Amino acid sequence: DADVTQTPRNRITKTGKRIMLECSQTKGHDRMYWYRQDPGLGLRLIYYSFDVKDINKGEISDGYSVSRQAQAKFSLSLESAIPNQTALYFCATSDYKDTDTQYFGPGTRLTVL
Amino acid sequence: GEDVEQSLFLSVREGDSSVINCTYTDSSSTYLYWYKQEPGAGLQLLTYIFSNMDMKQDQRLTVLLNKKDKHLSLRIADTQTGDSAIYFCAEKGFQKLVFGTGTRLLVSP
Repeated sequence: DADVTQTPRNRITKTGKRIMLECSQTKGHDRMYWYRQDPGLGLRLIYYSFDVKDINKGEISDGYSVSRQAQAKFSLSLESAIPNQTALYFCATSDYKDTDTQYFGPGTRLTVL
Repeated sequence: GEDVEQSLFLSVREGDSSVINCTYTDSSSTYLYWYKQEPGAGLQLLTYIFSNMDMKQDQRLTVLLNKKDKHLSLRIADTQTGDSAIYFCAEKGFQKLVFGTGTRLLVSP
């Protein structure tokens, strides 16, 4: 089984709808992240969490919210989706030891019409 | 602030060497990374280098770090069609990694 899973893998929705993307990990890491990927812009950090009680905004948090339900679960919500939130979304985890390597999920492709 | 830049595209022939370049701004970064993204997949760590090193070699991969110029490169020897992917450079900033825009490597037979 994959160490970092994301659901759904693909989602098409309409402007104004509320959307939740979920991430689960079995790596036992404390740190979790949400990124979005857009062509030519690379990965941009939306939110990150260093433990269950810790939530931090990244560089593009406007229009998004997150919930860290447990060490293993970190969900991303779009309260009212808009077309420019169409992107590929990735969840990642890391264990802050030495290299702080991040491990990524397979991604969720979100299309907002 | 922290910023990482890469060229967007590189095309090589199978068997040639590929060199992907990256510049970064945070001179206090302790680690720099190369990640690979294959189509339809998330990013996977290829290799990393500690900031007190100039070079790291791992099979076909060679990473060179020039701290004075804040320049990082990834050389792939004997490039194969399976190496076609997007390669991301990243630096370890304060509390998080900062990723570059990614370089799409296309390997033609």
